[in-house]
Amino acid sequence: QVQLVQSGAEVKKPGASVRVSCRASGYTFTSYIVAWVRQAPGQGLEWLGWISPKTGETSYAQKVQGRVTMTTDTSTNTVYMELRSLRSDDSAVYYCARDEGYCSGAGCYRWLHPWGQGTLLTVSS
Amino acid sequence: IVLTQSPGTLSLSPGERATLSCRASQSISSGYLGWLQQKPGQAPRLLISSASNRATGIPDRFGGSGSGTDFTLTISSLEPEDFAIYYCQLYGDPPSWTFGQGTKVEI
Repeated sequence: QVQLVQSGAEVKKPGASVRVSCRASGYTFTSYIVAWVRQAPGQGLEWLGWISPKTGETSYAQKVQGRVTMTTDTSTNTVYMELRSLRSDDSAVYYCARDEGYCSGAGCYRWLHPWGQGTLLTVSS
Repeated sequence: IVLTQSPGTLSLSPGERATLSCRASQSISSGYLGWLQQKPGQAPRLLISSASNRATGIPDRFGGSGSGTDFTLTISSLEPEDFAIYYCQLYGDPPSWTFGQGTKVEI
């Protein structure tokens, strides 16, 4: 079945960097964009950006632009998200999700499914 | 575009009907509006795509409707496992995702 499996929890100090991985299985990896979303403790969902495994094209949210880099490794069907210059407010659960959709004569359709299990990042001195 | 969900919390009993609202700050394509369910300690999961299409494996007690700026998620008869937080999600232009702040359905 279609599955996204993320790397394990991380604890980092302020100013450090972290790289979270998201390994895809059960579908053609290069056919779907992968999005990254985070959720601070007790808060809602925040989109961080996306990457096309086919082209390497990326788009980042303004809030993390300049500190985030998303990459892919097509040999292992893995997407990576690196976040640098970590701050305490980067502490959150980070999720990857497959961006799926299509266009037909009736219109265009888009959704995020499935989601990875999440990776907890704790930034603390 | 901002998505505003209401109410913030919905207190209901098993067997009751739940009606959750998601309002967009401007008219949107219903094809880009979805609903997610998140239980404590779990990742979000897709319930409804394109405003009204149930994702694979989602029970038919979950229904979505709406157009323009107003969208609704209805749970016809709450089961114990339905008590969770529900988010609406929107795909936007330039390509990006926006989420509502969530509605908690509690017992």
